[in-house]
Amino acid sequence: DIQLTQSPSFLSASVGDRVTITCRASQGIGSFLAWYQQKPGKAPKLLIYTASTLQSGVPSRFSGSRSGTEFTLTISSLQPEDFATYYCQQLNTYPRTFGPGTKVDFK
Amino acid sequence: QVHLEQSGPEVKKPGASVTVSCKASGYNFTSNTIQWVRQAPGQRLEWMGYITGNGDTRYPQSFQGRVTLTRNTSASTAYMDLSSLRSEDTAVYYCAREVYVGTAPFDTWGQGTLVTVSS
Repeated sequence: DIQLTQSPSFLSASVGDRVTITCRASQGIGSFLAWYQQKPGKAPKLLIYTASTLQSGVPSRFSGSRSGTEFTLTISSLQPEDFATYYCQQLNTYPRTFGPGTKVDFK
Repeated sequence: QVHLEQSGPEVKKPGASVTVSCKASGYNFTSNTIQWVRQAPGQRLEWMGYITGNGDTRYPQSFQGRVTLTRNTSASTAYMDLSSLRSEDTAVYYCAREVYVGTAPFDTWGQGTLVTVSS
């Protein structure tokens, strides 16, 4: 199975900050990676897929990139509604696997 | 718009089985694969399997023999059956739509169904 690790596990930030979250795959997955946002008690919400494609309706302050097996989610200017947990998911092979999550909290 | 509506919370005893339903609306139910994912308290999301528009299924090794996915196309509803429940199966169970066949993300999720396993 492909393992995904995320860093950091927890991040304290303020409104307006630039936030970067990293996801690393244990082996090559091409660009077949998605990012989801999850708020407490809610289902995950798709933000980005194929590493850098913004899902329809997602604000442009969210962006994604890839370098080899390392993927990055960037929020250019953190907004109050962005405080949540973010998960990466690999879509290259089965079983589908998710990262452990990065919780973005108020500083 | 595309919507997935799941059945309500369940409380089960160890050894029992549970069925969670997922009713789709706003699109052609047989055109997309339905994926199932669960999340135990404080844990990461865990993939449980899928059922395609043709009714084909696939499960991870970790759930082989315990999970069964079915669907009723006339009711646009998918079902997840999990048997031989144990306390570690306490989790929120989600259905999600796969956008297209292949390396596709999950673009629409149900609201989740809490399954509690307790004696």
